[in-house]
Amino acid sequence: SQQGEEDPQALSIQEGENATMNCSYKTSINNLQWYRQNSGRGLVHLILIRSNEREKHSGRLRVTLDTSKKSSSLLITASRAADTASYFCATDDNTDKLIFGTGTRLQVFP
Amino acid sequence: DVKVTQSSRYLVKRTGEKVFLECVQDMDHENMFWYRQDPGLGLRLIYFSYDVKMKEKGDIPEGYSVSREKKERFSLILESASTNQTSMYLCASIGQENEKLFFGSGTQLSVL
Repeated sequence: SQQGEEDPQALSIQEGENATMNCSYKTSINNLQWYRQNSGRGLVHLILIRSNEREKHSGRLRVTLDTSKKSSSLLITASRAADTASYFCATDDNTDKLIFGTGTRLQVFP
Repeated sequence: DVKVTQSSRYLVKRTGEKVFLECVQDMDHENMFWYRQDPGLGLRLIYFSYDVKMKEKGDIPEGYSVSREKKERFSLILESASTNQTSMYLCASIGQENEKLFFGSGTQLSVL
C-alpha cells in the first residue's frame, strides 16, 4: 500500500531557483520524513517533521505539514546542480515501518 | 555514522536460481527492512524484522523469504528467481531510539 504520493513526478529548474515538492498521504501519522536519493544509490534522510509541527527548517530546506489536508511540502531554496536527485516522502503511522511515496525527480541545470 | 552494507552492488542471475542478498549494519539496530524499488512505483516493503529470528511480511512478500540469525545481518532470499524480480533492492535499519532509516547503497539485480 502506497502511503505517500509526491507531486510533481519530475521537476526541472535552473540553479538559484527554488524547488517545491509536495507529498500527500492517506492515514494518520506520527511523523513525516523526507529522503534524498542520488541516481542508483541508497536513500539519505533529510528532515523529519512531527504530526504536531507545522513547519521545520534545516539549512536550505523548509518542510511544512498540514495534517488536516494530509499533505506536506519540501522547499529547497537557492538550488544547486548538486541538488539533482530524487526526493521521497515517507510516513510513520506508528506501525514500526515507514511507507514511502513514489518520489519526485529533481533536475537542476547549471 | 551508521553503516549499512549490502554485499553486492550489481548482480546477474538466471531464472530459477536461488539468490541471496546480504545486508549488514554496524550500529546494533533492532529493526531491519528490505525494500524493492522500481521506476514509477517508488519503494515497496518486502519484509522487515524487529529482532533476531523474527520477521514480518511487508506489502509484497510473495516470492521472497528472509533470514535474521544475527542482529546485525538481514538476508533476503529469492527461492527461485524470476524475471519480474529484476529490480533495485534496498536494505535499511533503524534503532529503537531513532526515527530515521539508514539505507545501504542498494543491489541492482537482473534476472535473465
